[in-house]
Formats: sequence, structure tokens, C-alpha cells
Amino acid sequence: GAVVSQHPSRVICKSGTSVKIECRSLDFQATTMFWYRQFPKQSLMLMATSNEGSKATYEQGVEKDKFLINHASLTLSTLTVTSAHPEDSSFYICSATDTYEQYFGPGTRLTVT
Amino acid sequence: AQKVTQAQTEISVVEKEDVTLDCVYETRDTTYYLFWYKQPPSGELVFLIRRNSFDEQNEISGRYSWNFQKSTSSFNFTITASQVVDSAVYFCALSRWTDKLIFGTGTRLQVFP
Repeated sequence: GAVVSQHPSRVICKSGTSVKIECRSLDFQATTMFWYRQFPKQSLMLMATSNEGSKATYEQGVEKDKFLINHASLTLSTLTVTSAHPEDSSFYICSATDTYEQYFGPGTRLTVT
Repeated sequence: AQKVTQAQTEISVVEKEDVTLDCVYETRDTTYYLFWYKQPPSGELVFLIRRNSFDEQNEISGRYSWNFQKSTSSFNFTITASQVVDSAVYFCALSRWTDKLIFGTGTRLQVFP
């Protein structure tokens, strides 16, 4: 089956710094990528939808200036958490679609100290 | 609006017991897709099943079975003869084709030896 990778799998950063998370589709071209966030013991909530070469569409309540999404190619989307704060600590999961299926990455656990 | 409800927050069973996880959904779409995912402690989402709205046939895969009833907008998941390895959080989700997934709040299943 198709594989989606995320890097890093785990990151700890200091408050005020920025963190970049990569999501790659390894063996297919992803027409669309989605970014989800999951707080501890909660459900997955969609943050944004990104299509290659165009601006991401953010869900209501998600600050687009804080969570920068770049979808530069059909195999790579990045999420940058700018000026991270402890409340941004969460599990971030991306998914990628090839028109037929949606495949999830393994997730990135972000801890902001 | 689309919505998925998993009323059971947590279920505990003893090994070899059968357990059913409930999922009720809301959508105005005539074509939609329902999913079940397993999330073990590692966090990675494990795809279990996808069912489209036109296919109400129940499905069985080993110890897993799914009951889809459009009349009650439910898509329930049964594990037969549960095992300790089944312990995880299970999410039911709804989408339009390869569009974003709307997740339920999840059911934490604990299987004790």
C-alpha cells in the first residue's frame, strides 16, 4: 500500500521558536494533503487542507499565520508552527490522497517547553 | 453538516469477550464514506475498513465485523473473542470520497487478560 512519512516523529522545542514538520508521500503523487491535530485523549481535528501549488484552506479557528502550510510539490507538504507555545503541544498527523484513497502518516509529537 | 458520534468513551472487557463499538453519523450527502481506524498507544492510525453509502452489506474480516445500517445512520464495529492486543482507541470517521475525514471522539477499548 501507499506510504506517507512524517519527519520528525518527535520534537521538543522551546517556547517562542518555530518548528517545521514534513509530510511526504513516498510512492505516489498526492493531489491533496490534510493536516490534523490531536490533543491528548481527544479526537483528531482537521486543521487545514492543502493542494499542490495553491494556498492552504484552513478550518475555522485555526490561525493561518501561526500554522504555515506549504505544499511545494506533489509529494511534500510542510507545516510550520511559528512562535510555538506550550498550548501548541500536540500530536500532528498528516494524510495524503491520490484521488482514490487517503493515507495517514505516522504522526509527529510536538512538545513545547 | 457532518457529524460522527461515538457515545462510548471507554469500554473494558476481559479477554475472549465479544465487544461492539457504536458509531452514529449525520450527513446530508447521498454519497459518503464511513471508516474505522485503530490507534494504538504509538499514535499511528491503522486503517480497518472503508464502506461507501451504497454498500450496506455487512463485512467480516477475521475477528472483526461491521454492521452498516443506513436506516439508523449507524456503522457499528464488533470484535469477537477480544484479545489484549485489541486494546487501543478506535475512531469512526465520515467523509466524501477522498475529502477530509470527520472523526468521532473515539472509544478507548481495554482488554484485560
